[in-house]
Parts: sequence; structure tokens; C-alpha cells
Amino acid sequence: EIVLTQTPATLSLSPGERATLPCRASQSISSYLAWYQQKPGQAPRLLIYDTSNRATGIPARFSGSGSGTDFTLTISSLEPEDFAVYYCQQRSDWPYTFGQGTKLEIK
Amino acid sequence: QVQLQESGPRLVKPSETLSLTCTVSGASISTYYWNWIRQPAGKGLEWIGRIYTTGSTNQNPSLKSRVTMSVDTSKNEFSLKLSSVTAADTAIYYCARDKADCSTTSCPANWFDSWGQGTLVTVSS
Repeated sequence: EIVLTQTPATLSLSPGERATLPCRASQSISSYLAWYQQKPGQAPRLLIYDTSNRATGIPARFSGSGSGTDFTLTISSLEPEDFAVYYCQQRSDWPYTFGQGTKLEIK
Repeated sequence: QVQLQESGPRLVKPSETLSLTCTVSGASISTYYWNWIRQPAGKGLEWIGRIYTTGSTNQNPSLKSRVTMSVDTSKNEFSLKLSSVTAADTAIYYCARDKADCSTTSCPANWFDSWGQGTLVTVSS
């Protein structure tokens, strides 16, 4: 099983700052990585798929990059609504797995 | 806009079978893959399995022997059964749609672009 590691578990930033959230895979997953945002009491929302493609309706301030084992979700300028938990997910191999998440909190 | 809604018992006794149904509205169930994903309280996400409208299924190997999925296209819904549950199966259970429409593109994409609100199932006597 491919393990996705997201560190730090918590990231404290201020609105307007740039956020960089890493995700590392235990083996190469090519570009088969997605990012989801989850707010309290809500289901996850797909933000980015295939490393760098924004899902429908996702603002341009969200971008993804990486390949192989190291990936990054970047939020160029944080809006108040961006403070949430972010999960990465791989589809390179069975079973599809998620990282443990990074909580983005207001500093 | 597609909407998904989970339904089923919220409390299940240990060793019994958890049963959930996901009702899909706003889209036909026929041309997508449909998934179950769960999340223990305060923890990460675990993919349980998926089903296509043909009845073809794939499950997470860690749960495979206990998971049964089915689909009813006439009702536009699909279902999950998880047998021999323990406290470790207590979680929020989500149903989710695969991103790819099989009538227009290669599928499944294995990304999940529409989710139900989730339902908390507690395993306890």
C-alpha cells in the first residue's frame, strides 16, 4: 500500500500569505495525485487532480505541482475561507490512499 | 447538479452488518463509478470500494472479505454492506462519485468530485 505523508500536521498562517502544503509518497506515483479540502462538518471537496488540474469551480489561487514522490499544493494568497484541512490522495496503485491531512489554521 | 444522500442505521451492534444506501439525484447513475469512503472521527480518509452500474466492484483489500456492494439503477441508488463490524468500523461514511463520465471519457478517473454529506455510523452494544 502506498503511504502518503503530509507534514506538518498543522500550518499556521495569516490571510493574504502564501501557503505551501507538501505531500510525499512512499513510492513513485507518477502524476496520479489529487488534493481535497475539508471544512468542519462537511464532506471533502476535490480541488486538484492529476497533480495540477483544477477541478470545476476552483479558484485560480489554488495550484498543484510535483511528480514521482513529492507534491505540493500552493495557495497563492490565503482567503478567510481557505482555512481548512487538506488531504492528498493517490490513484497510482490499489488501494487508493489518502494522506493524514494538513490543517491550515489562522495565525 | 448531482446530489448524493446516504441513509441507513446510525447504530450497529458489534459482529452485525452495517448497511448503507446512497441515493443519487440530478444525474443518472448509469455512466459513472460510485464509491464508498469512510473517516473515523478526527482522522483521515479510507477508500472502501467502488461499483459500476454493471455490478462490477472493487474493494480495499483490507476490507474486501467483509464488503458487499450493489447497485439499483431503477432507483438511482447504490448500497454498501460491511459485515462483522467492530468498534474500529465506527466512522463517518461517505458515498462519492468518480469524476469521469464513462459515456464521454475514459473511466474511472479515480478522483472523487461529488460527495454525500456523510453519515456517522457507530458500532456499539
